[in-house]
Amino acid sequence: DAKTTQPNSMESNEEEPVHLPCNHSTISGTDYIHWYRQLPSQGPEYVIHGLTSNVNNRMASLAIAEDRKSSTLILHRATLRDAAVYYCILRDDYKLSFGAGTTVTVRA
Amino acid sequence: KAGVTQTPRYLIKTRGQQVTLSCSPISGHRSVSWYQQTPGQGLQFLFEYFSETQRNKGNFPGRFSGRQFSNSRSEMNVSTLELGDSALYLCASSFGGDSLGTNEKLFFGSGTQLSVL
Repeated sequence: DAKTTQPNSMESNEEEPVHLPCNHSTISGTDYIHWYRQLPSQGPEYVIHGLTSNVNNRMASLAIAEDRKSSTLILHRATLRDAAVYYCILRDDYKLSFGAGTTVTVRA
Repeated sequence: KAGVTQTPRYLIKTRGQQVTLSCSPISGHRSVSWYQQTPGQGLQFLFEYFSETQRNKGNFPGRFSGRQFSNSRSEMNVSTLELGDSALYLCASSFGGDSLGTNEKLFFGSGTQLSVL
């Protein structure tokens, strides 16, 4: 599986945007970029995914670099409920290969 | 629409015993995957079932097994429990039509917290 690199932690203030970077320099042309998050005491939750183009949904936006070697998950207005571990995953087969993720803390 | 349901939520067993965990996927989903989460190893893939057949398997010993029923519900079994099997076991479901699944979303349950004493 191709690897991703994420910062260990990030802090944000409530109602401010959060930009979570992910580096994946060894990505192949068919790897999808997936983001999941895990809130305390819960299973992971799907956030967003994409292949080449930027993607938006009600939870977040995914900005993918033109060379696809990096991407950024954007939470437009962080709330306390967004405090979680965020996982950036390159998916080239049936399973999700989770790394350590980025722990996001949101300050009230 | 009901989400993925895992039972039981908590389980305490002793070494050497066996345990069976249950997972009911979202209605219409035919693929069920199982993951183990521990503080030291993080989230690791166990296996995936589609239409009652194990389609993919992770790197776990044979003590870990599973099955899927015709209604897509799945069970996983761990025999001869060891202390190191203490973990949160998570089940995820998806439509499963794409055998690679790279473009599919997975929906996870809240997990079964297994403690082995």
